[in-house]
Amino acid sequence: DAGVIQSPRHEVTEMGQEVTLRCKLISGHNSLFWYRQTMMRGLELLIYFNNNVPIDDSGMPEDRFSAKMPNASFSTLKIQPSEPRDSAVYFCASSFLSRDQAFFGQGTRLTVV
Amino acid sequence: DQQVKQNSPSLSVQEGRISILNCDYTNSMFDYFLWYKKYPAEGPTFLISISSIKDKNEDGRFTVFLNKSAKHLSLHIVPSQPGDSAVYFCAARPDGSGNTGKLIFGQGTTLQVKP
Repeated sequence: DAGVIQSPRHEVTEMGQEVTLRCKLISGHNSLFWYRQTMMRGLELLIYFNNNVPIDDSGMPEDRFSAKMPNASFSTLKIQPSEPRDSAVYFCASSFLSRDQAFFGQGTRLTVV
Repeated sequence: DQQVKQNSPSLSVQEGRISILNCDYTNSMFDYFLWYKKYPAEGPTFLISISSIKDKNEDGRFTVFLNKSAKHLSLHIVPSQPGDSAVYFCAARPDGSGNTGKLIFGQGTTLQVKP
């Protein structure tokens, strides 16, 4: 298995533009997590899904952020409109519920100018 | 309010010696703890974990110790190798949901192992 795959690896966009980050889960995993890493706040959980259903989105910073799982193997995180303070590394992780660990993707480095 | 704290931003040790990374937490309801390692431009990778019902877990060169009364855990790496140089994150599962991806992370400690 190729692991959790995120795209793009790097994204530079102008303030006000829509940004979509993508994540492909490891086959067979049924939980999906979006994390954001910044210098100020470190790694923080934004939202997670179990079996395609959003369970906890309390970490989503604002209504400008939305996440979906259109199917069991794929998720998107959308920021609309983007702002410079959204600049961060966004990680997607997947796991099989109740197992030992979550597997992280390589991250998407987002820069909003 | 940071529930998981790694107070040492960095640590430097000599190859072959022991590396000890520390982590403190504030929430006594945490039931599972994990250590992740992260290289630059990569995602965190799982290293070792421990349940709150145990006080020690060992996996090769890596041992995690948990002191629940002090709300403190530590990761020992013996012997340290240059390839261990990375950022180490302590993480805690905030509830008994069984969902080990729902984690609260510390700020990380950058370990440098010198040859």
